[in-house]
Amino acid sequence: GAVVSQHPSRVICKSGTSVKIECRSLDFQATTMFWYRQFPKQSLMLMATSNEGSKATYEQGVEKDKFLINHASLTLSTLTVTSAHPEDSSFYICSARVLGQATTGELFFGEGSRLTVL
Amino acid sequence: AQSVTQLGSHVSVSEGALVLLRCNYSSSVPPYLFWYVQYPNQGLQLLLKYTTGATLVKGINGFEAEFKKSETSFHLTKPSAHMSDAAEYFCAVSMNTGGFKTIFGAGTRLFVKA
Repeated sequence: GAVVSQHPSRVICKSGTSVKIECRSLDFQATTMFWYRQFPKQSLMLMATSNEGSKATYEQGVEKDKFLINHASLTLSTLTVTSAHPEDSSFYICSARVLGQATTGELFFGEGSRLTVL
Repeated sequence: AQSVTQLGSHVSVSEGALVLLRCNYSSSVPPYLFWYVQYPNQGLQLLLKYTTGATLVKGINGFEAEFKKSETSFHLTKPSAHMSDAAEYFCAVSMNTGGFKTIFGAGTRLFVKA
């Protein structure tokens, strides 16, 4: 199956700093990638849809200035948490659909990135 | 509105026993249905999916699920649980409503007792 890789898997940062998380599709091209946030023992919350070459579409209640998304190529999307605070600590997961498989909606997920803000 | 309901946030079974994880959905258009598994501190891995055709779908690790339109259900089963099956399981629905969107259930944590 298609492989999606996230980096870093774990990151610890100080309050007020910015953190960038990368999501790469390794063996396929993805015009659309999705960023989720998962709180402990909860389901995935869709934060935004990342579209290659255009602006991301954010879900209601997600601050676009805080969670910057860039999708500069067909294989890379990045999520930058700006001026991170302890309440931003969470597990962030990206996913992507394979071009040509949009009709089934199957998603391929990265390994996730655990962010801890001190 | 589309939604996914997973009955039971926690399910505990003995090793070798039947696993049954329940999922019901609501959708205004024909849905595509998925079960994903998540191990601690990892992303989600696809177990199986239903798109069209046969309503009984077989997936990896011995899991299967049956799409029952009349009951709007897509329950996940496995005849005999293994310790390695202990994980979080998510049911998901994908619908084409002018752009595909995937909705996840709240998840069910499966515990397997020795």
